[in-house]
Amino acid sequence: QVQLQQSGPGLVQPSQTLSLTCAISGDSVSSNRAAWNWIRQSPSRGLEWLGRTYYRSKWYNDYAVSVKSRITIKSDTSKNQFSLQLNSVTPDDTAVYYCARTGFGGDNDYWGQGTLVTVSS
Amino acid sequence: QSVLTQPPSASGTPGQRVIISCSGSSSNIGSNTVDWYQQLPGTAPKLLMSTKNQRPSGVPDRFSGSKSGTSASLTISGLQSEDEADYYCAAWDDSLKGWVFGGGTKLTVL
Repeated sequence: QVQLQQSGPGLVQPSQTLSLTCAISGDSVSSNRAAWNWIRQSPSRGLEWLGRTYYRSKWYNDYAVSVKSRITIKSDTSKNQFSLQLNSVTPDDTAVYYCARTGFGGDNDYWGQGTLVTVSS
Repeated sequence: QSVLTQPPSASGTPGQRVIISCSGSSSNIGSNTVDWYQQLPGTAPKLLMSTKNQRPSGVPDRFSGSKSGTSASLTISGLQSEDEADYYCAAWDDSLKGWVFGGGTKLTVL
């Protein structure tokens, strides 16, 4: 059974960097059959895919155009986890952030518990 | 403004059949399969219907999905009170090179 456990602060000041981590159990971040995503949800934006990382003999990243200049997703094979960094945040980045796995079937089949991140001073 | 279009609300009485629609374009639904998620208050979305009309283990067969062209639909047969939730469709978009979602449909069981 795959489990994704998220961690990170729930409050970030404007212009600072939002950092979240997603620890994986039951699968490997370097699996060549999975991809590891960050998705956020807010009343104003709904569900919004932010980006993903995946390993296919080498590491790849894809990012949403809306955040491409501000986002970094990294994998940490030693800890079997992946992380999200979103720079220069504004109150518009306030949302519940989820990590999710895209499994072999091509679906986002496992999700983290969600982290409410509020951008406020 | 979500890339995929869903009705904001739907309703039905116990035992009824409810259909939730999802409209997209040639670069998402028209080219790829569609996933459906159920979200209960305060929880993460849960995969309800996988791309090839497969249901993950534990999902009742009352839930089914279909796709035609650039539209898809989720059918819930024999509606039950515990089906009251928000439902989202999703698909990979080949042009945007990312996952796109519908705005969600709030299902009320009357």
